[in-house]
Amino acid sequence: NAGVTQTPKFRILKIGQSMTLQCTQDMNHNYMYWYRQDPGMGLKLIYYSVGAGITDKGEVPNGYNVSRSTTEDFPLRLELAAPSQTSVYFCASRAGEWWETQYFGPGTRLLVL
Amino acid sequence: TQLLEQSPQFLSIQEGENLTVYCNSSSVFSSLQWYRQEPGEGPVLLVTVVTGGEVKKLKRLTFQFGDARKDSSLHITAAQPGDTGLYLCAPQQGGGADGLTFGKGTHLIIQP
Repeated sequence: NAGVTQTPKFRILKIGQSMTLQCTQDMNHNYMYWYRQDPGMGLKLIYYSVGAGITDKGEVPNGYNVSRSTTEDFPLRLELAAPSQTSVYFCASRAGEWWETQYFGPGTRLLVL
Repeated sequence: TQLLEQSPQFLSIQEGENLTVYCNSSSVFSSLQWYRQEPGEGPVLLVTVVTGGEVKKLKRLTFQFGDARKDSSLHITAAQPGDTGLYLCAPQQGGGADGLTFGKGTHLIIQP
């Protein structure tokens, strides 16, 4: 049972480059989330989705875009990488109701130089 | 904007000792979750508390939700090196699809 998988595990980008962080879940969950975690900080919500074709902004969406064409996949796009986007990015999924467990992927470490 | 504080920020103790970490806020919450995050991994849910005054036990871990549902504590009895990690609280203010709001966490190190 893979759960939530993320690729790549680590990436170095130059300022202005773009990239897509991949996230896939095999639990048939409706809700999916992207968070970023800066050193010494808790996680902050970037974007979330309640199902295929539906996405919404979280607390820190600027500089990012998402899409949800299937239930399984929820990629996060960085168009013009900036040093402020250096962080660890976590994808998570949840089956449905608010009290249910949110399952996190192992994270993608991004360094923008 | 809710103010969410976790304390202490860092804690290093010897194996076998007891400890308590706290999650405090100025807001009232409908529920609260505690997660543990190990280095290089994503957070893993430990418990969800819903009712004011609720106490839940998970082996050596005891979680309590404050009577006013503004705060929570996590007590670990006879800490073990395997308890080392970042403990995050994530309160919730209602239903819906919104993602979680996390505190900065308590970094816990249990030395053998």
